Amino acid sequence: EAGVTQFPSHSVIEKGQTVTLRCDPISGHDNLYWYRRVMGKEIKFLLHFVKESKQDESGMPNNRFLAERTGGTYSTLKVQPAELEDSGVYFCASSLGGSGAYEQYFGPGTRLTVT
Amino acid sequence: SQQGEEDPQALSIQEGENATMNCSYKTSINNLQWYRQNSGRGLVHLILIRSNEREKHSGRLRVTLDTSKKSSSLLITASRAADTASYFCATLGGGATNKLIFGTGTLLAVQP
Repeated sequence: EAGVTQFPSHSVIEKGQTVTLRCDPISGHDNLYWYRRVMGKEIKFLLHFVKESKQDESGMPNNRFLAERTGGTYSTLKVQPAELEDSGVYFCASSLGGSGAYEQYFGPGTRLTVT
Repeated sequence: SQQGEEDPQALSIQEGENATMNCSYKTSINNLQWYRQNSGRGLVHLILIRSNEREKHSGRLRVTLDTSKKSSSLLITASRAADTASYFCATLGGGATNKLIFGTGTLLAVQP
């Protein structure tokens, strides 16, 4: 069974540009999470989808970040315009709904570098 | 807000030695989880310990949980160079979202 996949693995962009990160969760997982680790600090929650609905987006840093999960399958996280402080590793995780909700499976992450 | 803090922030040991990392958290929990992040790679789930458990083993990993002190420790025995990574504890943030709240992490370097 395929795990969580993320694309691209690494992105280098200039300040002011736009970048879109993609996450493909494990098939059948209703829950999808975005996290990020900035500058070697702790990993922080960004938002949570249940199917196509945003359950919790309290961790989104500002309105330059837009996440979507059309059709409840893959998700995208767009940063527009990117700033230097957005550099970091963006992780996606997915989990089953219901009683299996605690086990989150993480993707390999996308390393974003804003220059 | 940050849920957990880990110490030490960085740990350097020789291959074959044991490594102990500690994690403290602030709120009541149902379980606590430990993850590893190798450089350039994603997060790997290592072990989950429930609030009614005091100790759990998985291979060379031993996790303890003291809910009265709101702390947990991760012991890696007979370390290998491949254990070099950042280690994070994580607890559930509460509510319906089941988001994970991570500690600050311990960077472990195992010298061959």
